[in-house]
Amino acid sequence: AQKITQTQPGMFVQEKEAVTLDCTYDTSDQSYGLFWYKQPSSGEMIFLIYQGSYDEQNATEGRYSLNFQKARKSANLVISASQLGDSAMYFCAMRGIIQGAQKLVFGQGTRLTINP
Amino acid sequence: SQTIHQWPATLVQPVGSPLSLECTVEGTSNPNLYWYRQAAGRGLQLLFYSVGIGQISSEVPQNLSASRPQDRQFILSSKKLLLSDSGFYLCAWSGGHGAPADTQYFGPGTRLTVL
Repeated sequence: AQKITQTQPGMFVQEKEAVTLDCTYDTSDQSYGLFWYKQPSSGEMIFLIYQGSYDEQNATEGRYSLNFQKARKSANLVISASQLGDSAMYFCAMRGIIQGAQKLVFGQGTRLTINP
Repeated sequence: SQTIHQWPATLVQPVGSPLSLECTVEGTSNPNLYWYRQAAGRGLQLLFYSVGIGQISSEVPQNLSASRPQDRQFILSSKKLLLSDSGFYLCAWSGGHGAPADTQYFGPGTRLTVL
């Protein structure tokens, strides 16, 4: 079974600094996908970035990048030049095929607070 | 572009009352649809998913049910709410063209409080 672990329940960062949010995963699948979502206080889950298990390059999307280390089964999210609006919950998720259907398994999340 | 709607945004219901939450998707056809529940300060738990009209799969035993009467409509229901049904309910869809590998896109959510 797939499992996602986010070991940082909360992080506090000064504005404009870079921040790394940790995510480790466990799966026996050869093909899988990893996602990061942002959940602001409004509650909506916002898709940020995706990394496929066969992708050779680390994914990047604007200020977001994914530090994918397949051998260590980690997929850390890096946010460069943090902004006050980055304060939110961040969830790492893994896509797997369970009983023939694509499903997402989520970690418990990390609450990121950006201080001015 | 595709959009996903959920209503109501918030709901306060007494124990034992019925429930109906609605989710609709615009701008796409034959999406995969999902219902998740999020307890306060926790991650998301998948409740139901659907790959087509009338096709519903349940992830966890519970007193909730789901239905998909139309291609882009997904409904979460209960005949009698329990206190433990309180939480934040999120609907999601996937299957968009050009989206990376079945990315799920979420609606704004419904915050349910059962008293």
